[in-house]
Amino acid sequence: LAKTTQPISMDSYEGQEVNITCSHNNIATNDYITWYQQFPSQGPRFIIQGYKTKVTNEVASLFIPADRKSSTLSLPRVSLSDTAVYYCLVGDEGAGNMLTFGGGTRLMVKP
Amino acid sequence: EAQVTQNPRYLITVTGKKLTVTCSQNMNHEYMSWYRQDPGLGLRQIYYSMNVEVTDKGDVPEGYKVSRKEKRNFPLILESPSPNQTSLYFCASKTSGTPYNEQFFGPGTRLTVL
Repeated sequence: LAKTTQPISMDSYEGQEVNITCSHNNIATNDYITWYQQFPSQGPRFIIQGYKTKVTNEVASLFIPADRKSSTLSLPRVSLSDTAVYYCLVGDEGAGNMLTFGGGTRLMVKP
Repeated sequence: EAQVTQNPRYLITVTGKKLTVTCSQNMNHEYMSWYRQDPGLGLRQIYYSMNVEVTDKGDVPEGYKVSRKEKRNFPLILESPSPNQTSLYFCASKTSGTPYNEQFFGPGTRLTVL
C-alpha cells in the first residue's frame, strides 16, 4: 500500500487560497489519489479524486505531477466553514485492497 | 435519500459484554468498510467487504468480527469488548468494479467500554 505523508496542520485566513500537499512516493501504477474532508464528530466527505495532471470540481482542484509521487489539493478562497481535517488517500480499489487514511492535515481558517 | 446509517449512535457498555453495531446502506454498493478513529491516530480500517460473503481484514482487525450476509448490511461485532476499543466508529460504503474511490460514510458510533 502506498503510504501518504501530509503536514499535520495549516493555518489560513478567509479569502485566501490554500494548498495542501501530500507525498506518496511509492504510489503504484493503478492507484488513484483521493481527498476527503472531515468535520469534528462527522464522517469524512469525498472532495476530489484524480489519477494524473489536474482535476477540478466545484469545490477544489487537484494537481498531480507527472511522476505522481505527490499531489496538491487546492482550495480557492477558503471560508471559516472550510476549517476541517483533510485526508489524502492513495489506492486501487479494483485490487481489493484496503484504503488507508493517513493522519490528515488539520486546516484552521481564521477571520 | 442515499445514505449510510449506523446504530446505535452512542453506546456505553462494560468489558466483556458482547455488542453489535449495525450498518446499512441504501445505495446498492458492493463495497463496505468499518473504521475506527482515535485522537492522534486518524482513521484506521478494521474490516472491509468487497461484496456479499467476502470480507477482509484491515489495519486493526483484532477484537472485531464482521459479517456480510446481505448487500446492504455490514454489522460490526465485538464479542468481548475491552476499554481499548473505546473509540468513534464509522461505517462506509462505495460502488465497486471501478477505480472510483468515493466512499460514503455513516454518522458514526461513539463507543465507550468501561
